[in-house]
Amino acid sequence: AQTVTQSQPEMSVQEAETVTLSCTYDTSESDYYLFWYKQPPSRQMILVIRQEAYKQQNATENRFSVNFQKAAKSFSLKISDSQLGDAAMYFCAYLSGATNKLIFGTGTLLAVQP
Amino acid sequence: GAGVSQSPSNKVTEKGKDVELRCDPISGHTALYWYRQSLGQGLEFLIYFQGNSAPDKSGLPSDRFSAERTGGSVSTLTIQRTQQEDSAVYLCASSPRWDGTDTQYFGPGTRLTVL
Repeated sequence: AQTVTQSQPEMSVQEAETVTLSCTYDTSESDYYLFWYKQPPSRQMILVIRQEAYKQQNATENRFSVNFQKAAKSFSLKISDSQLGDAAMYFCAYLSGATNKLIFGTGTLLAVQP
Repeated sequence: GAGVSQSPSNKVTEKGKDVELRCDPISGHTALYWYRQSLGQGLEFLIYFQGNSAPDKSGLPSDRFSAERTGGSVSTLTIQRTQQEDSAVYLCASSPRWDGTDTQYFGPGTRLTVL
């Protein structure tokens, strides 16, 4: 079975600085997708960034980028120029191409200090 | 267009009562998912509907839980004889592609509290 591990329950970053959130996963599948979702206190789960496993190029979305290391099964999220609005719970998620089910990590609570 | 919507936003019920939670997916999205987020935990898959195929119910925790999707659009998650351990946020998501292998867009969730 696939698993997703986020080893950092909480992280803190100064406004305008850069922070990296870690995520590792375990799978024997070759067809899968990886996501980072953000969940602010409003509890709305918001897509941050997506990576297809077959793509070698790391995905980027404005201030958000990933470091996808397929062999190491690592999928970290880098947030550059952190803003107060980035404060939220961040979930790493794995989508199986076979089952279409999202498997989530336990989340990392990010605080942004002014 | 409009995102995924869910109702009610919050539901408080007494142990033993039945509840119905509603999800309106994004128009045109053929895949629909239900997840449960218990306090302090991650998200747990419950069920998903894929086009007109039979739903994948493998995540439902007990036979007290059921869901249906009418007309390929709106979905209702029903919990019968609610228990205190059912208290959680129930999240619905939809996805645009028929086979579901695409980004899932989430609604705001329904917070269920069972007293």
